[in-house]
Amino acid sequence: EAGVAQSPRYKIIEKRQSVAFWCNPISGHATLYWYQQILGQGPKLLIQFQNNGVVDDSQLPKDRFSAERLKGVDSTLKIQPAKLEDSAVYLCASSLVPGGAKEGELFFGEGSRLTVL
Amino acid sequence: AQRVTQPEKLLSVFKGAPVELKCNYSYSGSPELFWYVQYSRQRLQLLLRHISRESIKGFTADLNKGETSFHLKKPFAQEEDSAMYYCALLNQAGTALIFGKGTTLSVSS
Repeated sequence: EAGVAQSPRYKIIEKRQSVAFWCNPISGHATLYWYQQILGQGPKLLIQFQNNGVVDDSQLPKDRFSAERLKGVDSTLKIQPAKLEDSAVYLCASSLVPGGAKEGELFFGEGSRLTVL
Repeated sequence: AQRVTQPEKLLSVFKGAPVELKCNYSYSGSPELFWYVQYSRQRLQLLLRHISRESIKGFTADLNKGETSFHLKKPFAQEEDSAMYYCALLNQAGTALIFGKGTTLSVSS
C-alpha cells in the first residue's frame, strides 16, 4: 500500500514570497490533515478536511495560509506571503474513516521542509 | 484546556537499562492517548494507544487519571529504540490529535 505522498520535500524561499505544498493521501482515506512542526516542537494541527469539506481550520493563520482539497483527494497548502516564523516541516496525514483519529490511525507523509530567509 | 506535556527533551540510557518517557496531559473528561514514534529518516507512526492496553516492541503505557499521566515504559532498552517519541491526545471534538513536543530517546551500548 502506497503511503501518503508529499512534495516538494524541501523548499527555500525569501520572506514575502509564496510557496505551495502538495499532498496525496492514501487511496480511500477520507480525512486529511495538515500539521505544522516547528523545530523543537510537536506537530500542530493547521487544518483538517473530511472529503472536500473543512472540519477544523481554527489554527490556520488565514491571513497568509490557505488550503484546499477540491476533489476530496489531493490537497494543497499555500503560504502567501511567507514570514520567517513559517520555517517548519509541513506534515500531511490521512485516516481512513472520520473517526480514524480516535484509533490513533493517522498515517503521515515524509513532510515538506520549508526554510524562509 | 487540552494540552500534552513531555518534560524531557532528551533521555539517554544504556542498552539493557529501563526506560520511562514521561507524558502529562490536561483534558476535561476521559482522555484518549497515544504514543507516536519517529525513527531516523522515517515517517511519524503510531506506536501504541492506551485503549488497546497493548505492548508494542516491548513498550507499554498506562493511563493514570489521578496523576494525569501516560508514561511510556520499557524494561530493557535496545539500541534500535533510539528515536523521537511523541505523546498525543485526541482533541475534545474527537477528530484530531494534539501532540506534545517530543522526547528524543538515545540508547547507547
